[in-house]
Amino acid sequence: NAGVMQNPRHLVRRRGQEARLRCSPMKGHSHVYWYRQLPEEGLKFMVYLQKENIIDESGMPKERFSAEFPKEGPSILRIQQVVRGDSAAYFCASSRTVSPSTNEKLFFGSGTQLSVL
Amino acid sequence: KNEVEQSPQNLTAQEGEFITINCSYSVGISALHWLQQHPGGGIVSLFMLSSGKKKHGRLIATINIQEKHSSLHITASHPRDSAVYICAGFNSGGSNYKLTFGKGTLLTVNP
Repeated sequence: NAGVMQNPRHLVRRRGQEARLRCSPMKGHSHVYWYRQLPEEGLKFMVYLQKENIIDESGMPKERFSAEFPKEGPSILRIQQVVRGDSAAYFCASSRTVSPSTNEKLFFGSGTQLSVL
Repeated sequence: KNEVEQSPQNLTAQEGEFITINCSYSVGISALHWLQQHPGGGIVSLFMLSSGKKKHGRLIATINIQEKHSSLHITASHPRDSAVYICAGFNSGGSNYKLTFGKGTLLTVNP
């Protein structure tokens, strides 16, 4: 049973390009969460998705960022027209039930390190 | 605003030492999640707790709800324990998936 899979591990983009980050949750998990870790800062929540639905995107920047979790395939975090400030590690996590609690573990992927030149 | 503060920021120990990492949190956080981030970047969930104490191998996590404080202890530390340890708070109410993260404690265990 593979864990949460993220790819690519490292992504280099020039300013103005698009970045697509993929996350495949653990088998049986239908809840996906994206977090961003900026240099020298803690992780911050970005968006929570279930299959075909965005449940909470309150942590997403209002422009250039979007996320989806289609019926088939991985969840995608898309950043359009990247800028240097988007350079960060982006982590995906998944859980089996809604809202992880002390009775439900949250499983993280290994992250995608985005570098914008 | 929910907040989570960790201390120390950096910790260096000799192999075999007993390690303690502290986490204080604000009102509005109902439970805590301890995470380990390996040098390669991957994050592993260690414990989730809202009261009392949990133990797994050489790791022990405790939480004091009245004082809004949690500690992560590592007994008989080993160089492979070197990692960043992150405390994250579950927010009270319906949106506890958001988690409020501390900035992490970088632990280095020397042989």
